[in-house]
This record gives sequence, C-alpha cells and structure tokens, in this order.
Amino acid sequence: QVQLQESGPGLVKPSGTLSLTCAVSGGSISSSNWWSWVRQPPGKGLEWIGEIYHSGSTNYNPSLKSRVTISVDKSKNQFSLKLSSVTAADTAVYYCARLAVPVTPNWFDPWGQGTLVTVSS
Amino acid sequence: EIVLTQSPATLSLSPGERATLSCGASQSVSSSYLAWYQQKPGLAPRLLIYDASSRATGIPDRFSGSGSGTDFTLTISRLEPEDFAVYYCQQYGSSPITFGQGTRLEIK
Repeated sequence: QVQLQESGPGLVKPSGTLSLTCAVSGGSISSSNWWSWVRQPPGKGLEWIGEIYHSGSTNYNPSLKSRVTISVDKSKNQFSLKLSSVTAADTAVYYCARLAVPVTPNWFDPWGQGTLVTVSS
Repeated sequence: EIVLTQSPATLSLSPGERATLSCGASQSVSSSYLAWYQQKPGLAPRLLIYDASSRATGIPDRFSGSGSGTDFTLTISRLEPEDFAVYYCQQYGSSPITFGQGTRLEIK
C-alpha cells in the first residue's frame, strides 16, 4: 500500500523559495503513475499545483507555472516541489498525492498527510 | 479551465437524513471524469467517488454519485455522525485539474 509523506520548512520568508519533498513508501516512484502537488490555503479550497512522471515529464497549473518546478529523485523514491517568489498568498497546507491510474489528468489516491507552510518575515 | 461551483455552501441536516450535494461545471466534463472527496478537519481529502459514479475501495454504499455533462450530484442516503465534513468535487476531464470550493455538511 503506497504511502506519501511531505517534509520541508514550515516557514519561508516573502520573496524566498518554498521547497518541499514527498517521500514515497510501499511502492516505487517509477511505477506507471503521475505524482502531484495540491495546496489548500487555511480555511479555503484545494488548488492543483502540478505533476511529474518518473521520466521527468511535468505538467503545471498555468496560474503557477512561472514559479513552479517539480522534480523527481528515483534513487531516493521521492519527488519535490519548488515555488519561487512566494508571498503571503502562498501560505497553505501542501499535499502530495498520486494520480490513481497511469493516465493524466485523473483522480488522486492516496494523499500525504499534508504540511503547513507559512510565508512570513 | 473548467470552473466547478458547489451548492449549497453549507448544508445543515440531522443524522439519518438524506444529503444531496451538487457540483456544476462551467463547461461539459469530458467522459464524466469527476471525483468527490470528503475532508475532515486537520486531515487530507479522502476519495469517495470517481468517474462520477464509481465508489472507491472501502466506501460505504450509502454514498453514491451521479450526473454527466455539467451537472453532478453526491448523495448520502442516510447520514451517519461520521459523515459530517466538507465535500469537494474535482474534474479531470481536461487540464488543469480543478476543484469546487466545497460544501460543508454540518449537524443540525
């Protein structure tokens, strides 16, 4: 059973870069699945950030594309998110998730537990 | 991008009652590629329904999904105390993936 776990700094300064990692356990990141990041500002709804395949192919939400980089590290069985030039509006719980079937776009299952990142000086 | 609008924003019902949650799309969702999630405070979303009407593994049969095109519905036939949560719809018929703003199901 695949499990996902996010990690990274919980506080980032404005104009800095948010960096998170999602560790995959119970399965291989090189399986035929896409791996995604989704975020949720406090008290608000969900926003898809982007996704990556183990080959390195990526797709990003156009609303964030200019600031987002998602990468994969097959040797560590993990993938990562970088979001640059952050502002308070980027304060959110960040989730990693797997697309449930090997086709994109698709639904998400499972999800990581999420990690809160606050942008503040 | 496809905008999903959920209604009502808040639904107040009692255990044992039937809940009907709606999700409307700004344009037709290809092949009924719509999912529903349940989210409780402090937890990640939990998949309930995919492909508009298929229940995910382990989801009780009191949860059902229906709809096509631009109008979708999540029905909970008989509310249990653990069903009170926030529910989100998500479309994956076209990129970018988008979510509705959520319906809060609260105890009356």
